[in-house]
Amino acid sequence: EAEVAQSPRYKITEKSQAVAFWCDPISGHATLYWYRQILGQGPELLVQFQDESVVDDSQLPKDRFSAERLKGVDSTLKIQPAELGDSAMYLCASSPGTGESDTQYFGPGTRLTVL
Amino acid sequence: DQQVKQNSPSLSVQEGRISILNCDYTNSMFDYFLWYKKYPAEGPTFLISISSIKDKNEDGRFTVFLNKSAKHLSLHIVPSQPGDSAVYFCAAPRDTGKLIFGQGTTLQVKP
Repeated sequence: EAEVAQSPRYKITEKSQAVAFWCDPISGHATLYWYRQILGQGPELLVQFQDESVVDDSQLPKDRFSAERLKGVDSTLKIQPAELGDSAMYLCASSPGTGESDTQYFGPGTRLTVL
Repeated sequence: DQQVKQNSPSLSVQEGRISILNCDYTNSMFDYFLWYKKYPAEGPTFLISISSIKDKNEDGRFTVFLNKSAKHLSLHIVPSQPGDSAVYFCAAPRDTGKLIFGQGTTLQVKP
């Protein structure tokens, strides 16, 4: 069964350092999402791609976060510089499209700890 | 503005009994709802969904009920099994496809 791949699974960094997360969606899925989940809360969307184009990045802190999906396949999310409040689970999801029946499939996530 | 709310942070039930997880929403434009299950250190896994044209959808031990007038949905698990112990999220998609999640309910099924 096809899965969404993410790496690394865990990342510990010091504040002010740069970190990067990678996501490889299910093959053929045009839509890719990055969500952030803070402990005790539900995931919240950071950025959404349709192929290589950004559809929604309204909740992405653009002064420190950036995301790209250059060839419309895999994607990278970067934080520079990291802050203590960035400690969270970063989840990548993909779906064939954006219709109601286009179920989003999530990867295992990257657990980020900023010290 | 929390558009999808799960007001019970946790629920504990005995194996074999029914688990009922609740979810409320405020946005009347939502017309499709999903439940995801999440184990620790894993990503959420899709469980079951329901369209607003229905008031019930069943898949094996899992049934979701939708009450549109009350803007309320619930997930029933019968019978509950220890392997069902996880965090359950209800979610609704916006027109762009992004999911609006509730805060989650941690279910513990005791043997």
